[in-house]
Amino acid sequence: DQQVKQNSPSLSVQEGRISILNCDYTNSMFDYFLWYKKYPAEGPTFLISISSIKDKNEDGRFTVFLNKSAKHLSLHIVPSQPGDSAVYFCAASAGDKIIFGKGTRLHILP
Amino acid sequence: KAGVTQTPRYLIKTRGQQVTLSCSPISGHRSVSWYQQTPGQGLQFLFEYFSETQRNKGNFPGRFSGRQFSNSRSEMNVSTLELGDSALYLCASSPVRTSGDLSSYNEQFFGPGTRLTVL
Repeated sequence: DQQVKQNSPSLSVQEGRISILNCDYTNSMFDYFLWYKKYPAEGPTFLISISSIKDKNEDGRFTVFLNKSAKHLSLHIVPSQPGDSAVYFCAASAGDKIIFGKGTRLHILP
Repeated sequence: KAGVTQTPRYLIKTRGQQVTLSCSPISGHRSVSWYQQTPGQGLQFLFEYFSETQRNKGNFPGRFSGRQFSNSRSEMNVSTLELGDSALYLCASSPVRTSGDLSSYNEQFFGPGTRLTVL
C-alpha cells in the first residue's frame, strides 16, 4: 500500500525550460511535505518543504505547490539547469512518521 | 557542523553471512532512521531510533535489526543475508521537533550510504 506515489519514474526536460515533478498521497493525516534531491553515490539532500496550512512555498528556482483536496503536490524548477539532473524524492510526514515516494529521475537535456 | 557519517561505504558479503552497518548522526540529533534504497523501490523505511529506543518500524523481516547507543550513534544488523538484500542503505538523522515548529523534526539529514552487495 503506497501512501506516497510518484507515478513518473523519469522525466526529460530541455535546459532553460520548466521541470514539473508530481507526487500524490493517500493519507489525509499527512501535515508536512518535503522534496529531496539525490545524486548518484550520495545521500538525498533536503530541497524544499511545505506545511499543509500553505498551498505554495518558493525558494529561488524551486516552488512546491500543494493541493490538499486532490492530495497532490508538485515541484516546479524554473529555469532547469544541467545540475538539476538527479533523482527527486517526494516525502510526506505525519507526527513522527515520514514516508518517501519511489523517486523520479530528472534528465536535463542540453 | 559535521554531517552524517556511515561506515563502511562499500561492503561485499555472501549469502548466509551477517553484516553490521554503522551511522554517526549530526551532533545534537537524537533521532536516527534507516532506509533501504533499491532500483525502482525508492527509499523504504526500515526503522527509527530515538533516545536508544526503537520508535518506528517498517515492514522488513526480523533479520533486519538495529540499535542506538547513548551518544546517538546507531548500528544496523542484517543476519542470514539474501541476494535481495543488495542495496544502498541510508541513515538519516533529525533534530527533535520543538513545540510549534513543524520544520525542525521533519527535515532529515542523510549520510552518503553504505552500498551492500550480496553474492
